[in-house]
Amino acid sequence: DAGVIQSPRHEVTEMGQEVTLRCKPISGHNSLFWYRQTMMRGLELLIYFNNNVPIDDSGMPEDRFSAKMPNASFSTLKIQPSEPRDSAVYFCASSLRTSPSTDTQYFGPGTRLTVL
Amino acid sequence: EDKVVQSPLSLVVHEGDTVTLNCSYEVTNFRSLLWYKQEKKAPTFLFMLTSSGIEKKSGRLSSILDKKELFSILNITATQTGDSAIYLCAPRSGAGSYQLTFGKGTKLSVIP
Repeated sequence: DAGVIQSPRHEVTEMGQEVTLRCKPISGHNSLFWYRQTMMRGLELLIYFNNNVPIDDSGMPEDRFSAKMPNASFSTLKIQPSEPRDSAVYFCASSLRTSPSTDTQYFGPGTRLTVL
Repeated sequence: EDKVVQSPLSLVVHEGDTVTLNCSYEVTNFRSLLWYKQEKKAPTFLFMLTSSGIEKKSGRLSSILDKKELFSILNITATQTGDSAIYLCAPRSGAGSYQLTFGKGTKLSVIP
């Protein structure tokens, strides 16, 4: 059974360019989470969706970041324009949303983004 | 604001040693606490703890939660080089919330 799939695995871009990260959650999961991980700040939640609807985007750093989930099997995180401080590993995770006490998130392999 | 503190930040031990990793938290409306292991890539799930004093065990790893004192520990006995990783603690807070707040992790290095 395939886990969470993310693409690309590595992205190197120049400052000012648009970056789109992609995620396919585990089939049947109805919650999807985008995280960013850096040495300084650790793992931070950016946004999460339940049944394709954004529930909390308070972690999105600024208007340059946007996320969409057009259907249950696909989500994108877009950065436009990108800046060097956006360099990080971006993880997508999904869960079955059983109950708040017992829900378990499963992580994708991550996208390592480098903005020059 | 929710707060999660893990200690130590890093740890170097020899194979066969026993280690204890600590996680203290301050979160509103605590629901559960998860432990993850992160090697070179994505975090992988280890344990979920919801009740105080009940030990969860998986092989050489075990974990326990103290909801009164607001901490959890992760024990690893007879460590192996394959246990080298960053161990992340993540309490879940908020009524009806599915969000996790991650600590910065403990980096464990096991040397032969």
